[in-house]
Amino acid sequence: EAAVTQSPRNKVAVTGGKVTLSCNQTNNHNNMYWYRQDTGHGLRLIHYSYGAGSTEKGDIPDGYKASRPSQENFSLILELATPSQTSVYFCASGDRGNYAEQFFGPGTRLTVL
Amino acid sequence: QQKVQQSPESLIVPEGAMTSLNCTFSDSASQYFAWYRQHSGKAPKALMSIFSNGEKEEGRFTIHLNKASLHFSLHIRDSQPSDSALYLCAVSPTEGADRLTFGKGTQLIIQP
Repeated sequence: EAAVTQSPRNKVAVTGGKVTLSCNQTNNHNNMYWYRQDTGHGLRLIHYSYGAGSTEKGDIPDGYKASRPSQENFSLILELATPSQTSVYFCASGDRGNYAEQFFGPGTRLTVL
Repeated sequence: QQKVQQSPESLIVPEGAMTSLNCTFSDSASQYFAWYRQHSGKAPKALMSIFSNGEKEEGRFTIHLNKASLHFSLHIRDSQPSDSALYLCAVSPTEGADRLTFGKGTQLIIQP
């Protein structure tokens, strides 16, 4: 079973502060993704990456940056956190090809006050 | 931009009955169609996926795809209380699970 871990699991931040969410996967997957999940919106793609050094914008990238320093690690950065970014954030990894699936981490609950 | 809609929003089904969940999508060029299941407080987990028109069965679960109608569905036979969860459908423009667009989910409760 693919293993994806996230840290921290819970985070309280202040408006205007910088927040970094980290994700690590040990399955040598090329692709990694960041989503946020809000009631009434489902899962929405923020940023994704196809390998170390690459990041791409997803459907809702505004206010977020991403960093993929290695195959295993993918970070989501909120330079100036706002209350509207209060959400549960999920990281996922996967490979291309038929019958591939995405494997999700346990999530990070972020509250911006 | 791809639009994915699920129905119903919530559903209560008696134990042992058939459950049917629906998903419609807007981009006819979509190539990958999947259902993910998320138990309360947990991560989403892939349940089943399909690529071509028709049906695919795995145990009590069947996925049905009709690309012409921009519709796919999940059917759960002999529903169990452990099936109670949020069910998310997902669609991709590629042949695999890449750049997924998810629906908002159907909250399923199986009543003993």
